[in-house]
Formats: sequence, structure tokens, C-alpha cells
Amino acid sequence: AQSVAQPEDQVNVAEGNPLTVKCTYSVSGNPYLFWYVQYPNRGLQFLLKYITGDNLVKGSYGFEAEFNKSQTSFHLKKPSALVSDSALYFCAVRVRGANNLFFGTGTRLTVIP
Amino acid sequence: NAGVTQTPKFQVLKTGQSMTLQCAQDMNHEYMSWYRQDPGMGLRLIHYSVGAGITDQGEVPNGYNVSRSTTEDFPLRLLSAAPSQTSVYFCASSYQRTGPTDTQYFGPGTRLTVL
Repeated sequence: AQSVAQPEDQVNVAEGNPLTVKCTYSVSGNPYLFWYVQYPNRGLQFLLKYITGDNLVKGSYGFEAEFNKSQTSFHLKKPSALVSDSALYFCAVRVRGANNLFFGTGTRLTVIP
Repeated sequence: NAGVTQTPKFQVLKTGQSMTLQCAQDMNHEYMSWYRQDPGMGLRLIHYSVGAGITDQGEVPNGYNVSRSTTEDFPLRLLSAAPSQTSVYFCASSYQRTGPTDTQYFGPGTRLTVL
């Protein structure tokens, strides 16, 4: 069975500080990992994905994520947080041959001015 | 391109009523899907379609029907609404029918309340 865990419901960070939103996964087979962001009353927006190759993936709005196979993690990071980064972040996983995109429960990021 | 569009944005139903949530995309995507978002549970797949005329069940299909007569449209029907179906519904699409690496693009959502 495939699953994604986002262990933190809420992450608070001061503006200008680095931020990390954690994600771990459990799959049978090679994972394809995604990060999405949801702003209030909006749909999900794609940030970045890991398919294969370089473990460090760069995405939209200065975000990046590091795939760590040994720790089965795919943490989202940004060197310097902006107030406008405040939103709900979802990690998701998919495997070859499966149509489902399995989502984590989401982490609410608040960047404090 | 308008991307993925959904109507209505908000809907209130009484228990037992039926309705259809509309979803359309103008990106010529083969794959379309419906998710529901509930607090503390992330998004869960209801139904999906890999192309016109082809649909299949996802994780939580009970109480919902879908059809895919055209590439562009993928409506979701609630046959007899129940309070447990109160949720935010998202439609999504992606290009390839068998591409697990493809990015899914989401619509703005429909907030449904069943009284």
C-alpha cells in the first residue's frame, strides 16, 4: 500500500529564515513524488516533482526538495521565507502502473513578518 | 488557455437531492480525475478517466457517478446527497493516460454542503 505522511500540521517560520516542510512516504516500487501548494479558497498549484536523477529538485517560487531514498523522505525547502509563502502544502506520491496520486494530510505554513 | 474550470463554486443541497458538478479542461488532456478534500485527510481520489469513454473508481467512489463523453468534460454526479458528502471537490487533469510522472493540474474547487 502507498502512503504519504506529513508529520507537522503547522509550521511557523519568521520571514527571511529558511523553511522546511517534511514529507515521508511508503511505497512498493520506485516513487514519483510531488509537492503542491494551496492558497486560501484556491485549487492546488504544482510546485515541483521528483521522477529520477538528481536528488535535489528545484521548483517554482524558489522552492526546492531533496529526495532521500534511504530515509524515504522528500522534504520541501526554501532558503528565505516570504510572508506570501503562507499556505497549505501537500506532498503526494505515485508509482508506475498506478493511477492514484496519494496525498498527505497537508502542512499549514505560516510565515511571520 | 482557461486550464481546468469547475462549476459551481459553492452549492448547498438537502439530503437526498441529486446534482452534477461540472469540470472542463481545454488542454487536450487525456487523464481527468475527481478528488474530495476533507479536513485532516488530504485529498482522496473518487473517480478517474484515462480517456473519452473510459472511467474507473478511485479510493472513495460510493455515492458518485461519472461519465466521459468528450475529452474536455468530466462531470461528477451525486445520486442522492448525504451529509457525509459535505466536502470540497477538486477536478484535475494531466496529459498522458498512463503517465505516473505527469503533473496534474487542478481546478479551483467546488465547496459542497449537504444539510
